[in-house]
Amino acid sequence: EDQVTQSPEALRLQEGESSSLNCSYTVSGLRGLFWYRQDPGKGPEFLFTLYSAGEEKEKERLKATLTKKESFLHITAPKPEDSATYLCAVIIQGAQKLVFGQGTRLTINP
Amino acid sequence: DAGVIQSPRHEVTEMGQEVTLRCKPISGHNSLFWYRQTMMRGLELLIYFNNNVPIDDSGMPEDRFSAKMPNASFSTLKIQPSEPRDSAVYFCASRTFRTERENEQFFGPGTRLTVL
Repeated sequence: EDQVTQSPEALRLQEGESSSLNCSYTVSGLRGLFWYRQDPGKGPEFLFTLYSAGEEKEKERLKATLTKKESFLHITAPKPEDSATYLCAVIIQGAQKLVFGQGTRLTINP
Repeated sequence: DAGVIQSPRHEVTEMGQEVTLRCKPISGHNSLFWYRQTMMRGLELLIYFNNNVPIDDSGMPEDRFSAKMPNASFSTLKIQPSEPRDSAVYFCASRTFRTERENEQFFGPGTRLTVL
């Protein structure tokens, strides 16, 4: 069964304290991996798509990387406005639907 | 672009009542997805459409749920009769599907449904 697992469930950091969120996946043929950000009371907001192992994407303080088994979302020198839930999702070969992980709730304290 | 539009934003109803959720996708997008999000189960796909045609409804929990897409700019998700366990946030998302690599889905703000 296709599975996406995110860790940790929750992470609390001080402003400026860099860290990484993990998304591990077990799927039968990965076609793409997606990262979304979700703020309370809002819909998920698209951040990145990664298609092949070794690929990296960056946006401001965020960098996403992909291996054959997992993806990392690195956050460098975070600010309180980076606080949100970060969702990882995969799309598999022969399918068009996203399978989401449970998310990591990130809190950045000033 | 206004993004994906959903209505209502909040709905409170009593068990047994019919509920209709509405979605307007981003103009030009040809795929539309309905999701449900709960604390216990996270974000789950219910059904999706390509070019207004339902492709996969395997996530629809039971016959009480139905979805339609009469044209490219409008879709509804109906629950009849509603039950307390249907309480959740329902999201609509849309996507353009021109190439293999264009898989990004864009989500609406969601409808928070409470069934008493």
